[in-house]
Amino acid sequence: GNSVTQMEGPVTLSEEAFLTINCTYTATGYPSLFWYVQYPGEGLQLLLKATKADDKGSNKGFEATYRKETTSFHLEKGSVQVSDSAVYFCALLGPSNKLVFGAGTILRVKS
Amino acid sequence: NAGVMQNPRHLVRRRGQEARLRCSPMKGHSHVYWYRQLPEEGLKFMVYLQKENIIDESGMPKERFSAEFPKEGPSILRIQQVVRGDSAAYFCASSLKGDEQYFGPGTRLTVT
Repeated sequence: GNSVTQMEGPVTLSEEAFLTINCTYTATGYPSLFWYVQYPGEGLQLLLKATKADDKGSNKGFEATYRKETTSFHLEKGSVQVSDSAVYFCALLGPSNKLVFGAGTILRVKS
Repeated sequence: NAGVMQNPRHLVRRRGQEARLRCSPMKGHSHVYWYRQLPEEGLKFMVYLQKENIIDESGMPKERFSAEFPKEGPSILRIQQVVRGDSAAYFCASSLKGDEQYFGPGTRLTVT
C-alpha cells in the first residue's frame, strides 16, 4: 500500500543554517506529493507540492524535488529562521484523494 | 476568501456523551475530508465526502462514528458515546477538484 517515511526529529538548528528533512514514499504509480507545515495549536498549511517526476515545488524559501528514481521528496531551505519552527509533514495523494502522511518532523530553530 | 472553518475549536465531553464537530469548506469547494491526529501519532484519513454523498469512509471506525455533508450547511462529524480513546485533534480539509487540500484549524476533543 501507500506509505510515507520521514526522518525522525526533532531537528534542532541555529538561525541561518541549512535545512534538509528527508522524505521517501512507497506508492503505486506516481502520486502527487506535498509538504505541509503545522504551527503549535494550528491546522496544517500547504507549503508546497509537486505533481510529477522532476517537478520542483517551492514556497517561502522552501524547495522539494520529486525524484522518481529514489522515490524521494526531500524538503530543503537554505537559511532557516526562528519563525520556521514547526512540525513538517510530507504526504502523498493516494486513491480516493486520501492524503497519506508521514509521522511529521519537529523543527526547532534557535536564535 | 475565507479558509476552511471548524467549530468548536475545543470540545470537552464526558464519557458516553455525543460529540458533534462542524466544518465549513472554502467557498466553491465541494470535496470535504476528515482526518484525525491522535497524540504521538500522525494524521490519519477518516472519510471523504462530496455534497450529500460519502465517497470513501474506509478510515472511519465501524461503530459510533458517522459523517455527513448535506446539500445546505456544514459537514458534520458525529461521535456517539465517546470514550477516552477518542480524545484527539480532528481536522477537516476541503478541495476544489480533489487535488490540493486546504485544512481548517481543527477541533481538539477531550474526553474526561
